[in-house]
Amino acid sequence: DTEVTQTPKHLVMGMTNKKSLKCEQHMGHRAMYWYKQKAKKPPELMFVYSYEKLSINESVPSRFSPECPNSSLLNLHLHALQPEDSALYLCASSRDRDRPYQPQHFGDGTRLSIL
Amino acid sequence: GENVEQHPSTLSVQEGDSAVIKCTYSDSASNYFPWYKQELGKRPQLIIDIRSNVGEKKDQRIAVTLNKTAKHFSLHITETQPEDSAVYFCALYYGQNFVFGPGTRLSVLP
Repeated sequence: DTEVTQTPKHLVMGMTNKKSLKCEQHMGHRAMYWYKQKAKKPPELMFVYSYEKLSINESVPSRFSPECPNSSLLNLHLHALQPEDSALYLCASSRDRDRPYQPQHFGDGTRLSIL
Repeated sequence: GENVEQHPSTLSVQEGDSAVIKCTYSDSASNYFPWYKQELGKRPQLIIDIRSNVGEKKDQRIAVTLNKTAKHFSLHITETQPEDSAVYFCALYYGQNFVFGPGTRLSVLP
């Protein structure tokens, strides 16, 4: 069973479109993450939210805009993406980013294709 | 920042044999080491983890060993089955973030 839920599962969009990816968890976790994963590569960290505040932005282009409306929800707003942005976008959560020994739990991801 | 090396990048074993994947790291401040299994088109799934104050942990056919002095940790899978075929990522907790190894593609041949 997936405890981190991501929608949509698949998304095809043009370079001029605006869309959003959504992530939800109800485990009471206070850290949430966005990763980008290309084929045959490990997940690449994009953003980290800790207690609903943005902690890390790993030099991600401004066409990706994260949002954390509350402790259970994480959004990723997309605008004017490029073909190289096509990838699997994974959301993850962990109990508390500031404490060690807390594993991350991943959602099933959104497979994004940019035409 | 921390860097994680993982070997081998691909591994093929016969069903029933054992598989070992090794990861090395450089900073002794790393203190937590999870392993993830990712099947094709699916999410990374935590399969086992180990803390820096423990040398070995076992869960049925899966075990992880940690050598803090040499700065390496390994995943051991015994009695492999076709459903063990997947990409395996080691990771470590460093500086409040998780750093992933490049992955090992394991194929279990029937």
